[in-house]
Amino acid sequence: DVKVTQSSRYLVKRTGEKVFLECVQDMDHENMFWYRQDPGLGLRLIYFSYDVKMKEKGDIPEGYSVSREKKERFSLILESASTNQTSMYLCASSLTSGHNQPQHFGDGTRLSIL
Amino acid sequence: DQQVKQNSPSLSVQEGRISILNCDYTNSMFDYFLWYKKYPAEGPTFLISISSIKDKNEDGRFTVFLNKSAKHLSLHIVPSQPGDSAVYFCAASEYNFNKFYFGSGTKLNVKP
Repeated sequence: DVKVTQSSRYLVKRTGEKVFLECVQDMDHENMFWYRQDPGLGLRLIYFSYDVKMKEKGDIPEGYSVSREKKERFSLILESASTNQTSMYLCASSLTSGHNQPQHFGDGTRLSIL
Repeated sequence: DQQVKQNSPSLSVQEGRISILNCDYTNSMFDYFLWYKKYPAEGPTFLISISSIKDKNEDGRFTVFLNKSAKHLSLHIVPSQPGDSAVYFCAASEYNFNKFYFGSGTKLNVKP
């Protein structure tokens, strides 16, 4: 079974802090994704990556950046956290592009910015 | 503008009856559709998928129907069980793309 692990289940940070959310997958998947989930809005894509050191903006990239130095690890960075970034953050991975493959999700990080 | 819509935020069904969750999409290039189930404090779990060359896919108690002309898909759960109580998301992608568009979710409550 695919295992996607997010480093923290709950995180509380202060406005203006730089925040790192880490995600690791163990199935050698090429694609990795970061979403945020908010009530009534479903899952919105922040950034994705289909190879090491490659990244693509999703639908709501403002205020975020990402890093993918190794295939198994995809980090989401909040450069200067703001209260409107309080949300549930979900990481996902999938096999190569070119095939219809489902994404496999981690359990999420509930981030609160005070 | 949301390309995938789930217009019912919640649904309540009696145990043993059928649950029908609906999803509409606007992009005619979507080729692959999925349903995910999400329990509180857990990530979404892949449930069932369908490609646009089919109009039905079945897996045990779960069946997904696709109506391409209406740009509509539905998930049927028969019989519904209390353990099915969760939020269900539909998602769609274009052929050979791995970027998915998700609906806002429908919270299903199956009453014992």
